[in-house]
Amino acid sequence: EAEVAQSPRYKITEKSQAVAFWCDPISGHATLYWYRQILGQGPELLVQFQDESVVDDSQLPKDRFSAERLKGVDSTLKIQPAELGDSAMYLCASSLTSTGSYEQYFGPGTRLTVT
Amino acid sequence: DAKTTQPNSMESNEEEPVHLPCNHSTISGTDYIHWYRQLPSQGPEYVIHGLTSNVNNRMASLAIAEDRKSSTLILHRATLRDAAVYYCILRRPNAGNMLTFGGGTRLMVKP
Repeated sequence: EAEVAQSPRYKITEKSQAVAFWCDPISGHATLYWYRQILGQGPELLVQFQDESVVDDSQLPKDRFSAERLKGVDSTLKIQPAELGDSAMYLCASSLTSTGSYEQYFGPGTRLTVT
Repeated sequence: DAKTTQPNSMESNEEEPVHLPCNHSTISGTDYIHWYRQLPSQGPEYVIHGLTSNVNNRMASLAIAEDRKSSTLILHRATLRDAAVYYCILRRPNAGNMLTFGGGTRLMVKP
């Protein structure tokens, strides 16, 4: 069964350093999402792509976070500089499209710890 | 976003049915009701969704109240592997398929 791949699975970084996460969605899925999940809470959408275009990044802290999906396939989420409050699980999800009633498939996530 | 209300936690015995409630009194006529669950140390996974009619799939059943202001996710025979956080989410069509997660219900299954 096709899965969403994410790497690394775990990342420890010092505050003020740069960190990047990678996501490879299920083949053929046009829509890609990045979520942040703080321990004990539900995931919060950071950014949504339709192919290579950003559809919604209203919750992305743009002063330090950036996301790209250059060829409309895999995607990178970057934080620079990292802050202690960025410690969380970063989840990537994909769906066939953004219209209609298609389920989202989530990857295993990257757990970030900022020290 | 339309809001859902779920109990923080529930407990069940293994091999017994589980009914997970969700209130969504501000649901609009076109909102879909989605359920996802998140097992420990994993990303969320889709369980089921519906609009007006009750739905069944291999994982669960979804019972939707006639006025659509509440719904219930039914696991017919809980197993230890069903221990997870269950999220009830309203999704607006033509709104980018966005999912707005709340706190969910943590289901504990006792052997």
